[in-house]
Amino acid sequence: QKEVEQDPGPLSVPEGAIVSLNCTYSNSAFQYFMWYRQYSRKGPELLMYTYSSGNKEDGRFTAQVDKSSKYISLFIRDSQPSDSATYLCATNAGGTSYGKLTFGQGTILTVHP
Amino acid sequence: GAGVSQSPSNKVTEKGKDVELRCDPISGHTALYWYRQSLGQGLEFLIYFQGNSAPDKSGLPSDRFSAERTGGSVSTLTIQRTQQEDSAVYLCASSTSGELFFGEGSRLTVL
Repeated sequence: QKEVEQDPGPLSVPEGAIVSLNCTYSNSAFQYFMWYRQYSRKGPELLMYTYSSGNKEDGRFTAQVDKSSKYISLFIRDSQPSDSATYLCATNAGGTSYGKLTFGQGTILTVHP
Repeated sequence: GAGVSQSPSNKVTEKGKDVELRCDPISGHTALYWYRQSLGQGLEFLIYFQGNSAPDKSGLPSDRFSAERTGGSVSTLTIQRTQQEDSAVYLCASSTSGELFFGEGSRLTVL
């Protein structure tokens, strides 16, 4: 079993829909939680970064972490065709290993006009 | 400004050949990471450099894989005697103390 599980989708939604992307993790040592967006043939880019349980908003994006159930989510409001990409959740144990990330498989999202 | 640069962007090689993949990090970034992204395994950590030293090599899949970094800048990932299961996108990332900035990757195909 992978340490971070993510439904690979694919997920297809109409423009304007609310999108919910989810991951679960198994290692209690994981402290920091990230969402990356990856366009085709490009490297991943950081979207959201959070440490504590709760919600964090940035524009149309909300990241949610529930450490008690080891569950992380990303919500995209008013989705746009430009949001079509692969979304990867990632986590690490912090400290000097902050850059050693454990990724989920990625969810392929398509937002159609 | 310049981001993380990787070369070659695409490499096709025959089984058994050696390949070298290059990463040029963002200027001033002391930390450098190699990851591998494949269909079956997703994105996996390979090795981490802080300056020229590699305190964490735990993700290298076999002794056919090695990496070095010189001058605290450019890094080379070498795969010896390539196998078909080495086919993947090899991604490099650099950082100062927080966010990782990824390059576009080197896509390796082993025939």
